[in-house]
Amino acid sequence: GENVEQHPSTLSVQEGDSAVIKCTYSDSASNYFPWYKQELGKRPQLIIDIRSNVGEKKDQRIAVTLNKTAKHFSLHITETQPEDSAVYFCAATWRTGANSKLTFGKGITLSVRP
Amino acid sequence: GAVVSQHPSWVICKSGTSVKIECRSLDFQATTMFWYRQFPKQSLMLMATSNEGSKATYEQGVEKDKFLINHASLTLSTLTVTSAHPEDSSFYICSARVRAGGILTDTQYFGPGTRLTVL
Repeated sequence: GENVEQHPSTLSVQEGDSAVIKCTYSDSASNYFPWYKQELGKRPQLIIDIRSNVGEKKDQRIAVTLNKTAKHFSLHITETQPEDSAVYFCAATWRTGANSKLTFGKGITLSVRP
Repeated sequence: GAVVSQHPSWVICKSGTSVKIECRSLDFQATTMFWYRQFPKQSLMLMATSNEGSKATYEQGVEKDKFLINHASLTLSTLTVTSAHPEDSSFYICSARVRAGGILTDTQYFGPGTRLTVL
């Protein structure tokens, strides 16, 4: 099965700075990599995703990069704001036949200091 | 689009009782739904994959007789925690795979979760 590692477990940045969160995966067959943001007690929200045929994807202040050779992908948040403070989970697809499952990293708590 | 709801949002029950949690896709048909469990400050752990009209597929270590899953329609999956005990207290979240252009994608949208507390 797939194994997704996410480091570090916490990250603190000053408002306005950039934040970069990195994840590694083990299964070279994985081809879909979403990022979710979860605020305390709420549902995980999909913020951006990338497929393996693309190296980078951007949506306003958020971007994701994928390095298939090294099997890692990163979330980039620019001009961070206090409302970006949350837990961020990366995930990778693991396929078993026709079924597709997501394996999640342990999550990173991002704190944006005003 | 792609809105997933869950009911109830929280429930408190006595040890030994059963609790049913509903997961609904509001604006799309969800042939595949997933049930996750999340303990405080931890990641999402997949419990089972629920396919409409067929038996659920459980992850290793998840007791299928304790966590009953029924996916009887294209918009509803239910999780029943039978004979609940305090160690079953957790945040249970469902998700659904969405279709784009008629093709089932890998993208999952999550419900708001159900906080279960077993006394």
